[in-house]
Amino acid sequence: AQSVTQLDSQVPVFEEAPVELRCNYSSSVSVYLFWYVQYPNQGLQLLLKYLSGSTLVESINGFEAEFNKSQTSFHLRKPSVHISDTAEYFCAVSPLRAGSYQLTFGKGTKLSVIP
Amino acid sequence: EAGVAQSPRYKIIEKRQSVAFWCNPISGHATLYWYQQILGQGPKLLIQFQNNGVVDDSQLPKDRFSAERLKGVDSTLKIQPAKLEDSAVYLCASSLGQVGNEQFFGPGTRLTVL
Repeated sequence: AQSVTQLDSQVPVFEEAPVELRCNYSSSVSVYLFWYVQYPNQGLQLLLKYLSGSTLVESINGFEAEFNKSQTSFHLRKPSVHISDTAEYFCAVSPLRAGSYQLTFGKGTKLSVIP
Repeated sequence: EAGVAQSPRYKIIEKRQSVAFWCNPISGHATLYWYQQILGQGPKLLIQFQNNGVVDDSQLPKDRFSAERLKGVDSTLKIQPAKLEDSAVYLCASSLGQVGNEQFFGPGTRLTVL
């Protein structure tokens, strides 16, 4: 079984400031890692994912996340946030085995960017 | 490319009534998922289909919830009878059905049970 802990339920940050959204996971098997984003009144969208290879992954809109196996973490960071980044962010894991692709989500972190 | 479609978007019912949700996945996606998202929590998987077969329904409350995916395309999720604690957003997602594939989510159905 897998579990995901997002340590902060809400994160307010001023525009152009850096932000880090924390995610830790627990699993008895190896996992893939994902960050999904939900903008106001929209559905969940994939932001970025780690499957293998380089432990640092990036999104097209400037977010990055680093997989740390020893600390079982996959924190999301952005060096300078914009108003448009206001959304709820969900960390998720999926077991590394064929036939079982289900995602286990954390409770989410609401990022509020303050002008 | 059309996304995952769900209907209705909103539903209000009284406890002990029945309700059904419909999902149309992205064309060609073999795997379909139903998630329940209670306010303040992340989505929780209820059931996973691969084509028209059930892969995982271990978290589906089978005494009141049922789901089917006829012909391996559209799917319906039914609750009968509904309880107050079933108030949530019900999300449908689909993917190509391989390890690590992105899941594409629909807009969800917000259910309120009074």
